[in-house]
Amino acid sequence: EDKVVQSPLSLVVHEGDTVTLNCSYEVTNFRSLLWYKQEKKAPTFLFMLTSSGIEKKSGRLSSILDKKELFSILNITATQTGDSAVYLCAVVTQGGSEKLVFGKGTKLTVNP
Amino acid sequence: ETGVTQSPTHLIKTRGQQVTLRCSSQSGHNTVSWYQQALGQGPQFIFQYYREEENGRGNFPPRFSGLQFPNYSSELNVNALELDDSALYLCASRAKLASNEQFFGPGTRLTVL
Repeated sequence: EDKVVQSPLSLVVHEGDTVTLNCSYEVTNFRSLLWYKQEKKAPTFLFMLTSSGIEKKSGRLSSILDKKELFSILNITATQTGDSAVYLCAVVTQGGSEKLVFGKGTKLTVNP
Repeated sequence: ETGVTQSPTHLIKTRGQQVTLRCSSQSGHNTVSWYQQALGQGPQFIFQYYREEENGRGNFPPRFSGLQFPNYSSELNVNALELDDSALYLCASRAKLASNEQFFGPGTRLTVL
């Protein structure tokens, strides 16, 4: 059965801290890995990763994929209170429906 | 804003009732997927529709069914509601079947009493 595991499940930091969120996966027919930010309802797209070792960057957020070790990390530097959210990792599986398999998410709380 | 809309926003039903949730996908997107997100969990894949036909299904019983219309909008129907069906229901659309990037709507919060 396809599985995506995120850690930690919950994290509380102070503004200005740097955080690293982890995502490991065991799936058949891997196609890509996606990171989403979910604040209230709709997950909003952050990154899509398909190749190992190539860092994707957007402002203070960056992410990288290791297809050999089957994991990805999401880094957030100089955290702000607006970064408080649940961060979801999802893997796209190939063939047929190409569904997203999600982890449980990491709940990040950034205190002022 | 992703351009994906869902209705209603919230819904309260009782056990045994039936419910229909609606999703309008982003313009030009012909593939819609539905997910169930229970409290504190990641979204779980229910099923996907591509050009009006079901194209993949997760581990959900047959009382979860759906439709996609010619304009690519979609419905999720749940019969014989159970307490455990209480969740946030998300739909996501993408431009084509082979596209990895999915755009989510704001969801419908269903409470079953």
